[in-house]
Amino acid sequence: GQSLEQPSEVTAVEGAIVQINCTYQTSGFYGLSWYQQHDGGAPTFLSYNALDGLEETGRFSSFLSRSDSYGYLLLQELQMKDSASYFCAVRERGGSYIPTFGRGTSLIVHP
Amino acid sequence: DVKVTQSSRYLVKRTGEKVFLECVQDMDHENMFWYRQDPGLGLRLIYFSYDVKMKEKGDIPEGYSVSREKKERFSLILESASTNQTSMYLCASNSGTYYEQYFGPGTRLTVT
Repeated sequence: GQSLEQPSEVTAVEGAIVQINCTYQTSGFYGLSWYQQHDGGAPTFLSYNALDGLEETGRFSSFLSRSDSYGYLLLQELQMKDSASYFCAVRERGGSYIPTFGRGTSLIVHP
Repeated sequence: DVKVTQSSRYLVKRTGEKVFLECVQDMDHENMFWYRQDPGLGLRLIYFSYDVKMKEKGDIPEGYSVSREKKERFSLILESASTNQTSMYLCASNSGTYYEQYFGPGTRLTVT
């Protein structure tokens, strides 16, 4: 079976930097994705890492270490609108993209 | 813009009823998925389909079935709804080759 661990909740203040961690134990590994979901909304794709290292997209960055079975999402210059749930998702098999999602981290940004 | 639409945002059904949830995507995606989302449990995969008439069980298929007769449409069927199936149901699709999943707005199903 598979296991993905994320913190259930993270709080931070506007303007700060926050890191949301994800550790995984899966039978196979081909990549790690991150999704954002606002209350009442649908999850939306943020990033995908197949190789070790840091990928930067604006204020958001995602990191992967395959040897440690670990990744994180880094959010910089936090804004109130970043308050949402963040899910990591592992791609366990090759070929078609079939992600397995973690339980999600609720990020609360305070003024 | 990729669009994934679901037939209802809110649905209330009685225990024992047969329930159909419909999902349509307009980007010719190969893969389509049904998830249920409950507080603290994240997104749990019920079934997915990688082609017309092809399906594969996810993590929690019990009590559900699916149908994919056309590439753009994927239906979730609750043969006999039970109160423990009260949940948010999310449909999603992806091209299979690009690593981005597109989600519909969700259907909040209440079974009384």
